[in-house]
Amino acid sequence: DARVTQTPRHKVTEMGQEVTMRCQPILGHNTVFWYRQTMMQGLELLAYFRNRAPLDDSGMPKDRFSAEMPDATLATLKIQPSEPRDSAVYFCASGSSLLAGGTPGELFFGEGSRLTVL
Amino acid sequence: AQRVTQPEKLLSVFKGAPVELKCNYSYSGSPELFWYVQYSRQRLQLLLRHISRESIKGFTADLNKGETSFHLKKPFAQEEDSAMYYCALSDAGGFKTIFGAGTRLFVKA
Repeated sequence: DARVTQTPRHKVTEMGQEVTMRCQPILGHNTVFWYRQTMMQGLELLAYFRNRAPLDDSGMPKDRFSAEMPDATLATLKIQPSEPRDSAVYFCASGSSLLAGGTPGELFFGEGSRLTVL
Repeated sequence: AQRVTQPEKLLSVFKGAPVELKCNYSYSGSPELFWYVQYSRQRLQLLLRHISRESIKGFTADLNKGETSFHLKKPFAQEEDSAMYYCALSDAGGFKTIFGAGTRLFVKA
């Protein structure tokens, strides 16, 4: 059963510390998304990749957030330095674009990484 | 600008009552619309997509381009329908998918 895997599941850190979240997309999927879930904003799109290339990261605070895909099996989201307002659940999702034979908008989500910044 | 609006954060209905979760969108073009659901302690998952015109677990959603709406409906709510529901919009290529703020549905016995 292919699934998106995210680590860590939970992270508690102090303000100013660096946080790195990792995601292993489903093998064969060529699009990867990072979302942030909060009570007030719901699911906010932070960044997404197609074929490992970043297509849009306009949803991320550029001064502290960065997203990369070092290879097809790993996506990372880094926050440096972290702030209390970054506390949220961060979701990774993967899918296949239409050209890759997938269904547009059909995303498969990980279980999320719950981040608490004190 | 692309936007998905779910005006209700919380919706509470009794078992057996009809339920409608509202979704409005803003998009310049022909979007793909979806509903996703997150049950307690489960992953967010696709419930249905407008292009399939399907009924899943008794839920249906009709795309109204004139009103730019994609409301989710079920004639008789069940307790197991209690969950968080997200409306989502994807561009035609399926590259960018954005979500609304979500509506939490409580179905009371």
